[in-house]
Amino acid sequence: KAGVTQTPRYLIKTRGQQVTLSCSPISGHRSVSWYQQTPGQGLQFLFEYFSETQRNKGNFPGRFSGRQFSNSRSEMNVSTLELGDSALYLCASSLTVTHYEQYFGPGTRLTVT
Amino acid sequence: QKEVEQNSGPLSVPEGAIASLNCTYSDRGSQSFFWYRQYSGKSPELIMFIYSNGDKEDGRFTAQLNKASQYVSLLIRDSQPSDSATYLCAVISFRGGGGADGLTFGKGTHLIIQP
Repeated sequence: KAGVTQTPRYLIKTRGQQVTLSCSPISGHRSVSWYQQTPGQGLQFLFEYFSETQRNKGNFPGRFSGRQFSNSRSEMNVSTLELGDSALYLCASSLTVTHYEQYFGPGTRLTVT
Repeated sequence: QKEVEQNSGPLSVPEGAIASLNCTYSDRGSQSFFWYRQYSGKSPELIMFIYSNGDKEDGRFTAQLNKASQYVSLLIRDSQPSDSATYLCAVISFRGGGGADGLTFGKGTHLIIQP
């Protein structure tokens, strides 16, 4: 069974731009969560989607948003990029919202200059 | 503020010995506990999860949970150089209205297995 896939793997953007990241969950998994990983803050929860609905949101500004499609694929968007948004963005999928084992994709490395 | 605490290390263990990794958490509502392994430059890989007090064994790995002490640990038996990585402890808590929050991660323990 194929794992979680994320595209693109690497991105370089400039301050003020916006970016969209994509995630395809493991086949059959319907819950998708997004995390930000930085050396200083570690792994932090952004949001979770299930059945095209955001169920949960972490403590991030409104510039961070996401959505989920009917095939469970998910995208996250960051608007008005700041230097501090440079990070590894990780997507994780689980079977449903009551199956808490989450499996991570390879991540998207975002660099903001 | 939910917190998960881990010793950052590095924890150095000789090859073939038992590596013991520890984690404490602040939220008594935490119900599910996970250990992830992350190699440098890679994404986290789920290696163990435990939901009930006691021990859970899977191959060379044993997870131990003590909810009364808010403590979870991971033992790696017969440590191999390929076990050298950062080990992340993560917990999920349940909200009062039902449903679960996202994973709250510790900062990780850097484990080095010395040949």
